[in-house]
Amino acid sequence: EVQLVESGGGLARPGGSRRLSCAASGFTLSYHWMHWVRQVPGRGLVWVSRISSDGSTATYADSVKGRFTISRDNDKSTVYLQMNSLGAEDTAVYYCARDSGRPSGDLDHWGRGTLVTVST
Amino acid sequence: QSVLTQPPSASGTLGQRVSISCSGSSSNIGANSVNWYQQLPGTAPKLLIYSNSHRPSGVPDRFSGSKSGTSASLAISGLQSEDEADYFCAAWDDSLNGAVVFGGGTKVTVL
Repeated sequence: EVQLVESGGGLARPGGSRRLSCAASGFTLSYHWMHWVRQVPGRGLVWVSRISSDGSTATYADSVKGRFTISRDNDKSTVYLQMNSLGAEDTAVYYCARDSGRPSGDLDHWGRGTLVTVST
Repeated sequence: QSVLTQPPSASGTLGQRVSISCSGSSSNIGANSVNWYQQLPGTAPKLLIYSNSHRPSGVPDRFSGSKSGTSASLAISGLQSEDEADYFCAAWDDSLNGAVVFGGGTKVTVL
């Protein structure tokens, strides 16, 4: 069974940093691109970033470019999201999601999410 | 404000057919496939429709998707109480360096 488990959420101060992890199991992580998507509770989904299967290519939403870094360790079956210079606007539930690999670019499995709250 | 436009809400009675629209542009829906996600209250999103009209295994066939030009739609026929959820459309956007863009979501209520 495919499982994605996010961790690392919690309270962060404005201007601070947080590192999220996504532990993957039930499939071979190195075969899949991976994404982070965030959602302010009660609001819509917002795509944050994706990383290629070998980690060589990363793409970011304009809102996080230069502040967030996505990475992966296929040997550890884990994807990371390093978040720096956090602001209140980054408060959200962060989901890790697997790219199916189909040309449609759909995200076929999602974790349960981890909540990041940026506040003083 | 989301790149893809969806109505904020839709409703129907049990057994009715409900349709949700998703409007985009030539750089997203017009150029790429549309995927739909269902988010039940308090849970993570789940893939509902991929590549405009394909259902992953386990998704009931009362859910169907279509695309025409720069718009797409999701239909739920034979509405069930368990279909009460938020529904999001999504597509890659070629003008945003291939970023994934989502619609704002449509809350479906079963009356």
